[in-house]
Parts: sequence; C-alpha cells; structure tokens
Amino acid sequence: DVVMTQTPPSLSVAIGQSVSISCKSSQSLVASDKNTYLNWLLQSPGRSPKRLIYQVSKLDSGVPDRFSGSGSEKDFTLKISRVEAEDLGVYYCLQGTHLPLTFGSGTKLEIK
Amino acid sequence: QVQLEESGPGLMQPSETLSLTCTVSGFSLTSNGVGWVRQPLGKGLVWMGTIWAGGSTNYNSAVQSRLSISRDTSKSQVFLKMNSLQPEDTGTYYCARHGPLFDYWGQGVMVTVSS
Repeated sequence: DVVMTQTPPSLSVAIGQSVSISCKSSQSLVASDKNTYLNWLLQSPGRSPKRLIYQVSKLDSGVPDRFSGSGSEKDFTLKISRVEAEDLGVYYCLQGTHLPLTFGSGTKLEIK
Repeated sequence: QVQLEESGPGLMQPSETLSLTCTVSGFSLTSNGVGWVRQPLGKGLVWMGTIWAGGSTNYNSAVQSRLSISRDTSKSQVFLKMNSLQPEDTGTYYCARHGPLFDYWGQGVMVTVSS
C-alpha cells in the first residue's frame, strides 16, 4: 500500500499568516494516464470532509485562491495564504493513483 | 446538485452484520463510482471500497473478507454490508463520489458496535 506521510500533525497560526502542509508518498503518484491523483481535503469541526484541491493543484469550485497545491511524483504541498478563521479543521491528503486509496494522517489547523 | 446521503442503524452488536445505504442524487451510478470511507472516532480516514460506474468493485484488503458493496441503479442507491462486526468497527461511515476522486461526500452515519 502507498503510505502517505503528512506533516506537521498540527499547526497553530494567527489570522493572516500563511502555512504549508507537506504530504510525501512512498511511491510515485503519476498514473498511467500521466495524471497525478493527489487531493487535499478539509474536514471542518463536526463536518464531513470537503475536497479543496484535486490533481495536485486544481482548485475546486468555490475554494478561495488563498489555497494552492503544488508538487510532483512523491512530494506535495498545500499552502494557505492569509489564513482565515473559517480555515480551521483537519486537512488530509489523499492519493487515488494506486489501490487501495490511502489518506495522510491529517494536519489539525488551529487559530491562535 | 450532487448529493449523497448515508443511512443505517446507529447501534450494532458484536458479530452482527452492518447494512448501510448511500442514496445519491444529481448524478448517475452508471456514470460515476461511489466509495465508502470509515473514520474511527477522533481518528483519520480509511478507504473501505468502491463500486465503479461499470458495477465492478474494489475493496481494502483489511476488510475485504467481511465487506460487500453493491448497488441498485434504478433507486440511485449504493449498499455496504459488513459482517462479523467488532468494537473496532465503530466510527463514522461516509460515502463519496469516486470518479472524480471524492469530489462530493455525504454527511456520514455514526455506527457504534457494542454489547
């Protein structure tokens, strides 16, 4: 199984600061169709997960452009610029290139 | 708009069989797959399995021997059945559209396995 190593496990930031979350996979996530199936999800408190970014860097509709994704092969980053209060929750990376699908262990974002 | 809604019993006894239903709207099960994801209380997300648009299935090997996913396309419903429940199966179960990769999720259903 592909292991998704996500760091840091938690972050505490002030409103307006920027943060980055890392996700490293144990195998390349480039699929046979040349796409890279790496998503970023946010699970706000008490809510179901919501997809923010798909295929490494493509923002879902309605997601603020303060969010950005980057990376390739085995090394990926989610960046949140100018954190807002509504950004708090747990962020997960998810790889969909290989079965079984696997998630990172999550990064809990708290607001100072 | 795309929606998914899980339903099923909240409390189960050990060794029983869990049956959950995911009712979808806004898309066709013959065009998109649906996956199931479990989240133990206070923990992370684990993919359990997916039924694809063509009707084939893939399962996580950790639960494969106990898990079955099926569907009724005429009712836009996907079913999860898992036997031999244990307390460690306690958690919130989500269904999500798979293909595109988990772009929409249901609200989840909490299942507690306890005697």
